[in-house]
Amino acid sequence: GPKVLQIPSHQIIDMGQMVTLNCDPVSNHLYFYWYKQILGQQMEFLVNFYNGKVMEKSKLFKDQFSVERPDGSYFTLKIQPTALEDSAVYFCASSLGDWGIEQYFGPGTRLTVL
Amino acid sequence: TQTVSQSDAHVTVFEGDSVELRCNYSYGGSIYLSWYIQHHGRGLQFLLKYYSGNPVVQGVNGFEAEFSKSDSSFHLRKASVHWSDSAVYFCAVSALASSSFSKLVFGQGTSLSVVP
Repeated sequence: GPKVLQIPSHQIIDMGQMVTLNCDPVSNHLYFYWYKQILGQQMEFLVNFYNGKVMEKSKLFKDQFSVERPDGSYFTLKIQPTALEDSAVYFCASSLGDWGIEQYFGPGTRLTVL
Repeated sequence: TQTVSQSDAHVTVFEGDSVELRCNYSYGGSIYLSWYIQHHGRGLQFLLKYYSGNPVVQGVNGFEAEFSKSDSSFHLRKASVHWSDSAVYFCAVSALASSSFSKLVFGQGTSLSVVP
């Protein structure tokens, strides 16, 4: 089936540094999402993105977070500066439509902030 | 605010047995329910979904789920499991909000182990 790719699979950085997580969504999809999963906890919605804009974000999407998809390339999540509590697995997803249409997920990027 | 509860953190069954993974939700409005499977080290894969119509929906690989409004449930079932079904299963709910943009609210996940 359609695949979503995420680069890198693991990232280790020092607190305060900037990190960019990259997502290569399914080619004809129009809606993009980021979810966060702290080890042993539920996966939680961060943000969704459509037509170049953030449509909805959760309280987990702090001011230090930003998303973009320049020129239809990677859909990125940038954290600047990072904090210890940002350590988690971040999952990217994409879908062809909005509500009621299945989302396709990437394998996740494990971010460790030291 | 919608919530999703998967009461069993771990389920172990023998290959060939049937299995039911439980999911209960709380939300009063229009919702869309789905199940995803996550094999170790991989992304979530869509299994099936329900919005309206026949409360029993069929998914891939012999999985089905039954919606019950009275019980606020959407349990996942399979009649005969295979060792390759060992994975973590997530139930998810999405509410039709005024923005109409989807965000999935996930349950805690149920880890299914199929023993040969």
